[in-house]
Amino acid sequence: EPEVTQTPSHQVTQMGQEVILRCVPISNHLYFYWYRQILGQKVEFLVSFYNNEISEKSEIFDDQFSVERPDGSNFTLKIRSTKLEDSAMYFCASSDKDRPAPVADFGSGTRLTVV
Amino acid sequence: DAKTTQPNSMESNEEEPVHLPCNHSTISGTDYIHWYRQLPSQGPEYVIHGLTSNVNNRMASLAIAEDRKSSTLILHRATLRDAAVYYCILRRYSSASKIIFGSGTRLSIRP
Repeated sequence: EPEVTQTPSHQVTQMGQEVILRCVPISNHLYFYWYRQILGQKVEFLVSFYNNEISEKSEIFDDQFSVERPDGSNFTLKIRSTKLEDSAMYFCASSDKDRPAPVADFGSGTRLTVV
Repeated sequence: DAKTTQPNSMESNEEEPVHLPCNHSTISGTDYIHWYRQLPSQGPEYVIHGLTSNVNNRMASLAIAEDRKSSTLILHRATLRDAAVYYCILRRYSSASKIIFGSGTRLSIRP
């Protein structure tokens, strides 16, 4: 069964460094998302992406964050200058249609630790 | 978006049925009821969804009240692997809508 894959599974970075989290969505899906979950807290929406542009973003997704679909298969989340509070699990998701109410497939996540 | 209310936690015994309730009294006519679950150290996983009629799939059943103000996720025979946080979510019939996760119900299974 097709699945969303995320790499790396765990990344440790120093505060102030740039990180890129990578995702390969399911191949025929058109809608892509990033979520994050700080340890012990809820899963929070960051951004949705469709037709090569951001369709919605949350307040968390500030200028330090960016997303890109560089080659038609990968979907990346970049954090320009990481802060300690960016430490979290980051989940990528994708879905294949927008109506009536799309089911999203999630990856297993990347655990980002900022030290 | 309409809000859902779920118990914080529930416990059940292995190999017994589990009924996970969800209240959504402000649901609108175009809201679909979705259930996801999150196993420990995993991403959320779709379980089932429905609009008005009860639904069954290989993972679970979804029973929807006639007035649609509540629903129940039914796991027919719980296994230890079903221990997870279960989220009841309303999804609007709209374009590329984000999923808003609440706190969900943490289900524990006793061997």
